[in-house]
Amino acid sequence: GAGVSQSPRYKVAKRGQDVALRCDPISGHVSLFWYQQALGQGPEFLTYFQNEAQLDKSGLPSDRFFAERPEGSVSTLKIQRTQQEDSAVYLCASSLAGQLEAFFGQGTRLTVV
Amino acid sequence: DQQVKQNSPSLSVQEGRISILNCDYTNSMFDYFLWYKKYPAEGPTFLISISSIKDKNEDGRFTVFLNKSAKHLSLHIVPSQPGDSAVYFCAASAMAGANSKLTFGKGITLSVRP
Repeated sequence: GAGVSQSPRYKVAKRGQDVALRCDPISGHVSLFWYQQALGQGPEFLTYFQNEAQLDKSGLPSDRFFAERPEGSVSTLKIQRTQQEDSAVYLCASSLAGQLEAFFGQGTRLTVV
Repeated sequence: DQQVKQNSPSLSVQEGRISILNCDYTNSMFDYFLWYKKYPAEGPTFLISISSIKDKNEDGRFTVFLNKSAKHLSLHIVPSQPGDSAVYFCAASAMAGANSKLTFGKGITLSVRP
């Protein structure tokens, strides 16, 4: 597709359940980012990939959060044993190497009940 | 500690008038600034950017001004149109960093009245 695609768009999880969120970046985009946006806040950085290498995971809030991009294209953000505070919109963005203007997907709204 | 601050949560302007959205930052390492626009249920869309070597960048109805000494930037939209009604995020990056991650403000909700 032409843009960044994320799935699912909406996810409701019971507390303690594991979830996996998918991101298909724009074809050819080397850089891929995950951000978390809580209600009423701006997006906050979670992790960054350059191709398949995870170069920065300093924003991941706990060891329950794990991200991968094994072939340098599609990425998955996994959250284990979800908690209510994990409820947020999870945004994926991609960009060309050295480009600062990242293109965002529509996000996955995660609600933990 | 918020490194990028958008202190006004909302702004309402009349169609045809100028909208001025403000943003302040605290981190001196930031040297590239971006504005994103976000409609409900959509992801942020890149609008305009400015490097710290410039003090102004213009693209059609949108102009961004940067005052490095004051660590302040602003987005001017003129003339404002009802379709400009959205949440506007200011974001900053340190180009010299290992990656180009963005630090966002909380956003300003702009409403343009017909």
